Amino acid sequence: QKEVEQDPGPLSVPEGAIVSLNCTYSNSAFQYFMWYRQYSRKGPELLMYTYSSGNKEDGRFTAQVDKSSKYISLFIRDSQPSDSATYLCAMIKGNTPLVFGKGTRLSVIA
Amino acid sequence: GAVVSQHPSWVICKSGTSVKIECRSLDFQATTMFWYRQFPKQSLMLMATSNEGSKATYEQGVEKDKFLINHASLTLSTLTVTSAHPEDSSFYICSARPQIGEQFFGPGTRLTVL
Repeated sequence: QKEVEQDPGPLSVPEGAIVSLNCTYSNSAFQYFMWYRQYSRKGPELLMYTYSSGNKEDGRFTAQVDKSSKYISLFIRDSQPSDSATYLCAMIKGNTPLVFGKGTRLSVIA
Repeated sequence: GAVVSQHPSWVICKSGTSVKIECRSLDFQATTMFWYRQFPKQSLMLMATSNEGSKATYEQGVEKDKFLINHASLTLSTLTVTSAHPEDSSFYICSARPQIGEQFFGPGTRLTVL
């Protein structure tokens, strides 16, 4: 079993839809959870960063962490064509390298 | 968010030459920086972890003599691809961590070896 599982998609939604992206993980030692957005031929951009279980909201984005279920989510409200990208979940324990999911390719259709 | 820059953004070189890529954290100090490579439509692959003032830690299968990493200051790390060959052509991305937990990525450097 991989440490972090993420459905690679592709996921295609109409403009304005609510998008739900998810990752599961197996290592309960993970402490920090991040979501990155990567456009083609660009470096990943940090969208959300959380430490504890619960919800964190930033504009149209909401990150959710459930440590008891080892499950994290990213919700995008009112999705726009400019949200079309690959979304990577990532997590770490201590000062070790990030462990990434495979990334989910999202297309928002106008 | 914090800003990480990379230079150059795109480089083309002849086989056998060496190429140096710079990674800078512009508005924070980073004790730890990371170097990744990424092939088209594939995940990021960690190459090495670089700590300021000490030798880099390379991932299994990454040749340390081919990919020289120097982390001379808290805001600068360099990756030198020595004697580059066409199979080294890839997208190289650096990342910097201002504190445990957060990690910011540079825009990437596209290397093409002819």
